[in-house]
Amino acid sequence: EPEVTQTPSHQVTQMGQEVILRCVPISNHLYFYWYRQILGQKVEFLVSFYNNEISEKSEIFDDQFSVERPDGSNFTLKIRSTKLEDSAMYFCASSVSPRSYNEQFFGPGTRLTVL
Amino acid sequence: GENVEQHPSTLSVQEGDSAVIKCTYSDSASNYFPWYKQELGKGPQLIIDIRSNVGEKKDQRIAVTLNKTAKHFSLHITETQPEDSAVYFCAATGGGGSYIPTFGRGTSLIVHP
Repeated sequence: EPEVTQTPSHQVTQMGQEVILRCVPISNHLYFYWYRQILGQKVEFLVSFYNNEISEKSEIFDDQFSVERPDGSNFTLKIRSTKLEDSAMYFCASSVSPRSYNEQFFGPGTRLTVL
Repeated sequence: GENVEQHPSTLSVQEGDSAVIKCTYSDSASNYFPWYKQELGKGPQLIIDIRSNVGEKKDQRIAVTLNKTAKHFSLHITETQPEDSAVYFCAATGGGGSYIPTFGRGTSLIVHP
């Protein structure tokens, strides 16, 4: 069964450093998403991406964040200068279409720890 | 924007018992309500969903009910098994024309053998 994969599973970084989280969405999906979950809190939407551009973003997704689809398979989230409060689990998801009745498939997540 | 509240945060049951998880939402325009199960080390996986034009949906041991008037929806798991142990998230989608789900805080279900 096809699945969304994410690397690395755990990333530890120093405050102020740049990190890139990687995702490989399901191959025939066209819409991609990033979410984050701070420990003990809700899963929060960050950004959605389609046709090489951002479709929707939340207020969390400020200038420190960027997304890219550098090739036909990878989808990345970059945090330019990490802060302590960026420590969270980051989930990538993909779907065939963005309509609400279409299932989003989630990856296993990357745990980001900012020291 | 949409706000989803989920209760309880932790639910401990004996194998064979039923489990009920409840959620409320704030935006009456939300029209799609998925439930996700997250096992340790994995991402959330859709287990059942319900649309606003339906009051109840059942799939084997799991069922979801929706009360649009009261703006709440619930997940019911009958005859629980140890492999049902996981974190369950409810979500609401479609309000304000957005297709992005707003999640609840999650319920950690523990099924004791």
